[in-house]
Amino acid sequence: GQNIDQPTEMTATEGAIVQINCTYQTSGFNGLFWYQQHAGEAPTFLSYNVLDGLEEKGRFSSFLSRSKGYSYLLLKELQMKDSASYLCASWGLTGGGNKLTFGTGTQLKVEL
Amino acid sequence: DTEVTQTPKHLVMGMTNKKSLKCEQHMGHRAMYWYKQKAKKPPELMFVYSYEKLSINESVPSRFSPECPNSSLLNLHLHALQPEDSALYLCASSQELTGMNSPLHFGNGTRLTVT
Repeated sequence: GQNIDQPTEMTATEGAIVQINCTYQTSGFNGLFWYQQHAGEAPTFLSYNVLDGLEEKGRFSSFLSRSKGYSYLLLKELQMKDSASYLCASWGLTGGGNKLTFGTGTQLKVEL
Repeated sequence: DTEVTQTPKHLVMGMTNKKSLKCEQHMGHRAMYWYKQKAKKPPELMFVYSYEKLSINESVPSRFSPECPNSSLLNLHLHALQPEDSALYLCASSQELTGMNSPLHFGNGTRLTVT
């Protein structure tokens, strides 16, 4: 089975750094994805981790610890347009095969 | 702009209607997906196709019927829906069905309202 937990809401200030945590329990774990979703729009791919460590992509970085079932998304130099829902998602095995399961999402609000 | 195209963008249908949602991608991806998303909830997987064959059906009611005519197209046929089926229906594709560095690319979705 699959279980993913992340905080429901977070608030941060423009220009600051914010870390969004995600813990997961996934059978046949095959990678951890982060997606950004603005209200009324489709999710957009941000990052992917399958090995332990940090992946950096501009203002966004993602970290994975497989042994702890833990990941975080780090957003630097926050901008107002970063206000969105951030979805942690894990690839894993179910009875039907490999699938991507999403956490409930963290609604990030960036304030002045 | 998304590389996965969904039509229509909005759809209003009665409970006795039959309609279809369409999805198209030209990235050469071999896995395609249908997700359902209710307001303030994460996307929930409905169906997965891999190499044009149904790989996963997440116990979706038979009033939803998927079809994959070829590797670029994915349809979702709707019949006798209920008001609680109103949601955003997202199509996605990925290079393979493994997850290994194969992220899902989502379309902009079809906003479905059942009256």
